[in-house]
Amino acid sequence: AQSVTQLGSHVSVSEGALVLLRCNYSSSVPPYLFWYVQYPNQGLQLLLKYTTGATLVKGINGFEAEFKKSETSFHLTKPSAHMSDAAEYFCAVSEITDKLIFGTGTRLQVFP
Amino acid sequence: DAGITQSPRHKVTETGTPVTLRCHQTENHRYMYWYRQDPGHGLRLIHYSYGVKDTDKGEVSDGYSVSRSKTEDFLLTLESATSSQTSVYFCAISEWGSQGGYTFGSGTRLTVV
Repeated sequence: AQSVTQLGSHVSVSEGALVLLRCNYSSSVPPYLFWYVQYPNQGLQLLLKYTTGATLVKGINGFEAEFKKSETSFHLTKPSAHMSDAAEYFCAVSEITDKLIFGTGTRLQVFP
Repeated sequence: DAGITQSPRHKVTETGTPVTLRCHQTENHRYMYWYRQDPGHGLRLIHYSYGVKDTDKGEVSDGYSVSRSKTEDFLLTLESATSSQTSVYFCAISEWGSQGGYTFGSGTRLTVV
């Protein structure tokens, strides 16, 4: 069965610093991979997705992620953190049966 | 934003009472999903639907039932609410299934006392 592991339930960075949120997946078939962001008291919003093609995927708000098949990873990065990036981030992998499997989430704090 | 609304947004109910949560979409998407979100568990799939009257169980379906009599509405029912069902419930929709990703509603915060 497919699964997702997000390393680090909490990540803290200073404003302007690099953001790196880690995601590893398990899948027996080529996966579709997603990152979602959740702001307080809101639903989840799609940041970016990898389906096929280019392994470096660019999303909204300056975020990007790279699919590395050899490492079974799909880490999310942003070169320079902004206060508005503070939120919870979820990695997800698609099952072939039309269901998304989510990781447990990483809460990002940004300090001034 | 995509037309997906959840009702109610907040609800407090007593143990043993039935509760129905509603998800309504105006996008005519085929797929609809119910997830629950709990600290430390992320989002877990309860039930999903791939068409009118076509539903299937997710990983945490015990104690929940669903119905989809129209494309636009997907109802989640807790037949007899328990304290372990206190959670935030999210509905999601998708036109092409999971490969295209989902659009989420704003959630329903349910407290069972």
